Amino acid sequence: EVQLVESGGDLVQPGGSLRLACAASGFTFSNYAMSWVRQAPGKGLQWVSTISGSGSTTYYADSVKGRFTISRDKSTNTLYLQMNSLRTEDTAFYFCARDRSRTTVVQGYWGQGTLVAVSS
Amino acid sequence: DIQMTQSPSTLSASVGDRVTITCRASQGINYWLAWYQQKPGKAPKLLIYKASILDTGVPSRFSGSGSETEFTLTISSLQPDDFATYYCQQYNTLWTFGQGTKVEIK
Repeated sequence: EVQLVESGGDLVQPGGSLRLACAASGFTFSNYAMSWVRQAPGKGLQWVSTISGSGSTTYYADSVKGRFTISRDKSTNTLYLQMNSLRTEDTAFYFCARDRSRTTVVQGYWGQGTLVAVSS
Repeated sequence: DIQMTQSPSTLSASVGDRVTITCRASQGINYWLAWYQQKPGKAPKLLIYKASILDTGVPSRFSGSGSETEFTLTISSLQPDDFATYYCQQYNTLWTFGQGTKVEIK
């Protein structure tokens, strides 16, 4: 069974940094691209970033480019999101997600989310 | 950037109703369109990908159609478990979600 468990969400001041983690299990981690998707409280879904299975290719939404870095560790089956220069508008639940399959690049499996609150 | 626009934003319906949600892309995306269902406090659930292919285990009352810039999600007979928010997502160029359509009880 595919399981994705996020952690690392917290209250942080504007301009601060935070690193989110997503522990993956139940599948061969390096075979699948992984993504972060966020949702501000009461708002819609926003794609944030995606990393290929090998980790060699990354993609970012314009709103986070240059501030956030996605990475993965195949030795621990963990996905990360390093968030720097945080802004109040980054406040959201952050979900990690796995591609549905190796050929279907939509988010087919999701974690339960972790809350990042950016406030002074 | 490709923008996705859903309509309506909110839909009031009764159990047994046929429900249709529309999603429009700002430019052609072939059939690279997915639909998700989200219930309050839960993660989204993939329903449909490649515009019309139901994900594993998704009831057949859900269907998707369309191509290029106009797409629809149809629920043929609304069930109590279907009251939720639905999002479309393009994956032709990176990924973009629509703003969501809340299906509420009439």
